[in-house]
Amino acid sequence: ETGVTQTPRHLVMGMTNKKSLKCEQHLGHNAMYWYKQSAKKPLELMFVYNFKEQTENNSVPSRFSPECPNSSHLFLHLHTLQPEDSALYLCASSQDASEAFFGQGTRLTVV
Amino acid sequence: RKEVEQDPGPFNVPEGATVAFNCTYSNSASQSFFWYRQDCRKEPKLLMSVYSSGNEDGRFTAQLNRASQYISLLIRDSKLSDSATYLCVVSRSGGSYIPTFGRGTSLIVHP
Repeated sequence: ETGVTQTPRHLVMGMTNKKSLKCEQHLGHNAMYWYKQSAKKPLELMFVYNFKEQTENNSVPSRFSPECPNSSHLFLHLHTLQPEDSALYLCASSQDASEAFFGQGTRLTVV
Repeated sequence: RKEVEQDPGPFNVPEGATVAFNCTYSNSASQSFFWYRQDCRKEPKLLMSVYSSGNEDGRFTAQLNRASQYISLLIRDSKLSDSATYLCVVSRSGGSYIPTFGRGTSLIVHP
């Protein structure tokens, strides 16, 4: 149903683990985004990629490392996370100023 | 001042009521405007785009006032299924177009 696919849907990781979130868009869009949504908080923009070049890093800690190998794929590499990093991580894509389409998100729990 | 401001609510209304949500944005150079709907523990989904000329889709009407930097959403004849969080989204250009989300307004429609 969705043109933006995220995996995994759920992830539990320890503070010393390294994991990666994957996002793929099948819409031919030129921009991709990572957002974080903590409980009862608004969506926070983390990273923006335009034509696979990073154009915005919204003061995100270095324990989050994005990678965009091409216009259709976006990764978020995670290492040495903290419990407060537990949240819903949403990937989105858009074509220029048109509406953004979201993946279903990865619900991350850091233990 | 936050880039996009919304009253978080909740708005608690009976079925059949008319309810209006407001949103203000701070960046006068913003170019695209949207309302999204987010159900509990789900990703945001586009409800409608917002234009200066107004936009109507069934029971939903959206309006943009660029001079006042103000966006509105009107829902007529509320249904139980309208219960959700409604997110105001403003897209600004900063090298690429960046969708910025308000914190959302919670709507609860009761029988």
